[in-house]
This record gives sequence, C-alpha cells and structure tokens, in this order.
Amino acid sequence: GAVVSQHPSRVICKSGTSVKIECRSLDFQATTMFWYRQFPKQSLMLMATSNEGSKATYEQGVEKDKFLINHASLTLSTLTVTSAHPEDSSFYICSATPASGGRWEQFFGPGTRLTVL
Amino acid sequence: GNSVTQMEGPVTLSEEAFLTINCTYTATGYPSLFWYVQYPGEGLQLLLKATKADDKGSNKGFEATYRKETTSFHLEKGSVQVSDSAVYFCALSDYRDDKIIFGKGTRLHILP
Repeated sequence: GAVVSQHPSRVICKSGTSVKIECRSLDFQATTMFWYRQFPKQSLMLMATSNEGSKATYEQGVEKDKFLINHASLTLSTLTVTSAHPEDSSFYICSATPASGGRWEQFFGPGTRLTVL
Repeated sequence: GNSVTQMEGPVTLSEEAFLTINCTYTATGYPSLFWYVQYPGEGLQLLLKATKADDKGSNKGFEATYRKETTSFHLEKGSVQVSDSAVYFCALSDYRDDKIIFGKGTRLHILP
C-alpha cells in the first residue's frame, strides 16, 4: 500500500525557534498534500492544502506566515513552524493524495509531536 | 457547513463482544463517508468507505451502512479482538473539494 512518512516523529524546541517537519510519499507521487493539526481528544483540523509547485491554500484562521508550507516535489512537502510558541505544541499530521487516485483518497503519515518549551 | 459527530469514548469492551460506534453527519450535498483507524504510534488508515446511500462498506470484519434517511454511518463489528484497540474516526468528503471532515475520534479498548 501507499506509504507516507514524516520526520521527525518528535521534536522539542525552545520558544522563538523555528521547526521544520517533512512529509514524504515513499512509493507514489502525490499531487496534493494536506497538513492537519490534532489536539488531545480532538479531531484532526485541516490547516492547509498544498499542490506541487504552487502556493498552499490555508484554512480560515491559520496564519500562513507562521506555518510555512513548501511542496517542492511530487514526493515531498514541508511544514515550518516559525517562531514557535508553547501554544503551537500539538500533533501535526500530513497526508498525500496519489496522482492516480480519487480526490478523497488520502494516505496519512504517522504524525509529528511538537513540544515548544 | 459539513460536520461529523461521533460517540465519545473511551469505549471498553471484552474480547468477542459486539461493537457499535455511532456516527452521524451533516452535509449540504451527497458526501462520501469513511471510517479511519489509528493504531498506537501509527498514522490514520482507511478502514472502509461508502460513496452513496445504502452502500455498505466492510473490511476486517467491520461494517458500516450509509443511511441517508438518518444521516448516519455507524461502525459495527460482531466480535472484537484485542488487536482492534485503536482510535476510530468517522469522516466525510464532499465531492466538490478534496477536504475530509473528521469526527473527534473514539478510543476503543478491548480487554482480553
């Protein structure tokens, strides 16, 4: 099956620093990648949708200058949390839609736990 | 807007018990419906799906039927196993965009 990886799986950083999270589709090309945020006991909240080679589309209420998304290739998207603060601590999950798949067909990464001290 | 409501957990059952996790949805169009499962330390995996009314999705002994009249997509399994312990998410996707709307998830604990 289609595999999506995320790196790192866990990261702890100091307040004010920036953190980059990578999302890779390992065995397929992904035309679209999605970034979600999951709070404890809450659902996944879509942050942004990125298409290879174009600017990401952010959901309402998500600061695009704080959460920088780059989708430079068909297998890699990155999320950079800039000037992180404790309230940015969360579980970040990416997903990817294969170029050959249906629009609803998303394969999810295992997530990245971010803790900002 | 579109939304998904599912029963809150955790749900704790003994092995071989019957499982039902309720899910209802609100949608303006005719969404596709999904159940995803998240095992400890892993990413979400699609468990089953149904794309139109009265469709039944099934996988690994789990079933869910798309009920348009009650706007529901309840997940059922006749005999659960310890390995079914996970978090289950009900979700929908509107055909008009790529977005998936998730419920809050239901944590399931199966006791041996």
